[in-house]
Amino acid sequence: KAGVTQTPRYLIKTRGQQVTLSCSPISGHRSVSWYQQTPGQGLQFLFEYFSETQRNKGNFPGRFSGRQFSNSRSEMNVSTLELGDSALYLCASSFPSGSGDEQFFGPGTRLTVL
Amino acid sequence: GENVEQHPSTLSVQEGDSAVIKCTYSDSASNYFPWYKQELGKGPQLIIDIRSNVGEKKDQRIAVTLNKTAKHFSLHITETQPEDSAVYFCAASEGSNYQLIWGAGTKLIIKP
Repeated sequence: KAGVTQTPRYLIKTRGQQVTLSCSPISGHRSVSWYQQTPGQGLQFLFEYFSETQRNKGNFPGRFSGRQFSNSRSEMNVSTLELGDSALYLCASSFPSGSGDEQFFGPGTRLTVL
Repeated sequence: GENVEQHPSTLSVQEGDSAVIKCTYSDSASNYFPWYKQELGKGPQLIIDIRSNVGEKKDQRIAVTLNKTAKHFSLHITETQPEDSAVYFCAASEGSNYQLIWGAGTKLIIKP
């Protein structure tokens, strides 16, 4: 079974631009979560989508948005990029069966904002 | 909401020795506590998890213990090997909304 894939793997943008990241979950998984990872900050939860609906949202500004398609693929968009948005963005998929399910992570997209 | 604290931030042990990483959580309703390992250039991968109705769980050289009264859980790695070098994250579920709250991570260094 193929793992979680994320595209692109690396991205360089300048301040003020916008960016769209893509995540393809494991086949059959209906939940996709997005995280921002910066050195020393661990994983900061952005949002989770389940069956095309945002089910949970972290404490990030409205510049961060996402969506999920009917095939469970998900995209994350960041508008008006700031230098502080430079980070590794991880997505994780799971097949929710209740509270507490293994999340399978992709390799991440490394975003650099200049 | 849930808050998870993880200690230490860096742990250096001699190969063959044991390593222990500790996490505390604040929400007494949390019922799921996974541990993930992140190797360089990769996403985190689940290595072991425990639910609130269990006090301890083992998988070969890895074990996790949970103390619900004190609201803390720990990862124990015995007979450490070079391939154990990585960043380890603990997490706790936030009530019933499926969201995981993560610790800040521990960089484990195995010295040869």
